[in-house]
Amino acid sequence: DTEVTQTPKHLVMGMTNKKSLKCEQHMGHRAMYWYKQKAKKPPELMFVYSYEKLSINESVPSRFSPECPNSSLLNLHLHALQPEDSALYLCASSQEWAGSRDEQYFGPGTRLTVT
Amino acid sequence: SQQGEEDPQALSIQEGENATMNCSYKTSINNLQWYRQNSGRGLVHLILIRSNEREKHSGRLRVTLDTSKKSSSLLITASRAADTASYFCATDGDSTLTFGKGTMLLVSP
Repeated sequence: DTEVTQTPKHLVMGMTNKKSLKCEQHMGHRAMYWYKQKAKKPPELMFVYSYEKLSINESVPSRFSPECPNSSLLNLHLHALQPEDSALYLCASSQEWAGSRDEQYFGPGTRLTVT
Repeated sequence: SQQGEEDPQALSIQEGENATMNCSYKTSINNLQWYRQNSGRGLVHLILIRSNEREKHSGRLRVTLDTSKKSSSLLITASRAADTASYFCATDGDSTLTFGKGTMLLVSP
């Protein structure tokens, strides 16, 4: 199984809502990532988890809260988002986080719209 | 910033033609990767080339790396309509993977 799954595929939320994005992989990968991608732009790294511990937070606002409950799951909790947070949120995993020297496997993404 | 710069930003060709995309980067790297993204979908890893390699092939893909010029190229031979996508190079400076701005490839039947 070389698949990374993400739910939901689409999410529309108001600025006062609380929602969560979910990501799952069963490849035994020990590194998992959240990226944010705006239209016609490259993915931008938000968070890196290595062995279930947060290794990198790219100065992401606290209204985004990541969680790694176990080695297969990665969540992104959303609260009090702004319209400019509307984007495609991509989850990825790799064998190890070794300076990102491994290929990364991406999920299909969650298209988030904040109204 | 280590972000790569792809060239051209957009490329439109006919099926059967070859497509060449270039990537330039600023600082030294351990490896360079190429990814494909179909519209609004996740990225798919295409190929990884290490800094001590000069050329790598995978099916219809050929990647070259010139570390002296800090540049890489991706060649897709005998293109198909299904190759229509955005292509990103990604470099591993500063311990994280940083993606270039991408080349949008349109292959017309």
